[in-house]
Amino acid sequence: AQSVTQLDSQVPVFEEAPVELRCNYSSSVSVYLFWYVQYPNQGLQLLLKYLSGSTLVKGINGFEAEFNKSQTSFHLRKPSVHISDTAEYFCAVSDAGSTGFQKLVFGTGTRLLVSP
Amino acid sequence: SQTIHQWPATLVQPVGSPLSLECTVEGTSNPNLYWYRQAAGRGLQLLFYSVGIGQISSEVPQNLSASRPQDRQFILSSKKLLLSDSGFYLCAWSPLQGKAEAFFGQGTRLTVV
Repeated sequence: AQSVTQLDSQVPVFEEAPVELRCNYSSSVSVYLFWYVQYPNQGLQLLLKYLSGSTLVKGINGFEAEFNKSQTSFHLRKPSVHISDTAEYFCAVSDAGSTGFQKLVFGTGTRLLVSP
Repeated sequence: SQTIHQWPATLVQPVGSPLSLECTVEGTSNPNLYWYRQAAGRGLQLLFYSVGIGQISSEVPQNLSASRPQDRQFILSSKKLLLSDSGFYLCAWSPLQGKAEAFFGQGTRLTVV
C-alpha cells in the first residue's frame, strides 16, 4: 500500500517569490506521482504527473516537480508565484505496476497563500 | 473531449433525510468511476470506485452507498444522513486502461443540519 505525506499544511509566500511544496511518499513498488490544484469550492485539476523517464516534470501554470527516488520525494516548485496561485495543492501516488483500475492515494494537502 | 458533470453544487439536508448525488461522464466509454470525500485538513478519502456497470467497491464502511446503473453514471446515496456525512464530495473518472490520472468534477458541498 502507498501513502503520501505533505508536511506543510499551509505555506505563506509573497508575490513573485519562489515556492516549494513538499511531498514524500511511501511505497514498496514503483509509483506514478501526481500534483493536483484545487481552487475554492471547485474540483481538482491536474498540474503535472510523473510516469517514467526524466525526473524533472514540467506542468501547467509554470509549475515543475522533481522525482527523487532515493529520497522518495516529489516536491513541487515555482520560481515566481502570482496571487492567482493561491489554492490548495494535493500530491498523489498510485501503483505503477497495476493494470486497469488504479487507486490514487492523496496527501492531506498544502494551502498556498500568496500575498502582495 | 471528455467532460464530467456533478450535481448539485451545494446541498443542505436535515439529519435523517435521504441523499442522492449524481455524476455523469461524457465523451468516453467504460471509465473507472470514483467518489471521494474531502473533509477539512484530511485530504481526499476514497469512498467508492467502480470498474463497470453494477460493480461497486467500497473503501470505507459508512452510512453511504453507491450505484452505477449505466456505464457513465455514478450515484452516491444514503437512506438517512448523519451530521458526520457533511463534507465536500467529489466524483472522478479515469480511463479503463489509463495511467491512473483521474479527472474530477466540480464537487458537491453537503451540509447536514
